[in-house]
Amino acid sequence: DVKVTQSSRYLVKRTGEKVFLECVQDMDHENMFWYRQDPGLGLRLIYFSYDVKMKEKGDIPEGYSVSREKKERFSLILESASTNQTSMYLCASSRGLAETQYFGPGTRLLVL
Amino acid sequence: AQKITQTQPGMFVQEKEAVTLDCTYDTSDPSYGLFWYKQPSSGEMIFLIYQGSYDQQNATEGRYSLNFQKARKSANLVISASQLGDSAMYFCAMREPNSGNTPLVFGKGTRLSVIA
Repeated sequence: DVKVTQSSRYLVKRTGEKVFLECVQDMDHENMFWYRQDPGLGLRLIYFSYDVKMKEKGDIPEGYSVSREKKERFSLILESASTNQTSMYLCASSRGLAETQYFGPGTRLLVL
Repeated sequence: AQKITQTQPGMFVQEKEAVTLDCTYDTSDPSYGLFWYKQPSSGEMIFLIYQGSYDQQNATEGRYSLNFQKARKSANLVISASQLGDSAMYFCAMREPNSGNTPLVFGKGTRLSVIA
């Protein structure tokens, strides 16, 4: 079974803090994705990566950066957290870019 | 224009009855695929079922089936014999492999509540 894990289920941070969200997959998938999910807006793609050290902007990259130093790990970074970044963050991975994505359990981030 | 439209923000269904969740899509690519995911209150997105545009038969997976109507560009999810554990958000998604390096596109979801 594909397993995607995220470092935290719940996170509370202060405005201005630097926040790291970690995602690890164990299926040797080439592609990894970060989404945020907000009520009424569905899933919105922040960034994705199709190879180590490669990244592409999604629909809403502003205020975020990513890092993929190893194939199995994809990190989402909030350089200076703001209250409008309070959201559910979902990580996913897939073998092909447009193939079935397998998701982690999500991180609920609250920025105060 | 939205690529994936889910017009039902919320649905209720009685336990043991069937329910249909709507999904319409917009693409000019003849080759595409459609996915349905379930998201329980725990938050994890669970892959349910996949339909390819060239598949001859409607996809089925246990109690889940896909009512695929290509001419109408709809790919509705049918859940038979609803159970309380089916209460969740359901998302429809599409892939367009010939449209460049684009990942899946998701709809905004439908919240299904199963009533005892």
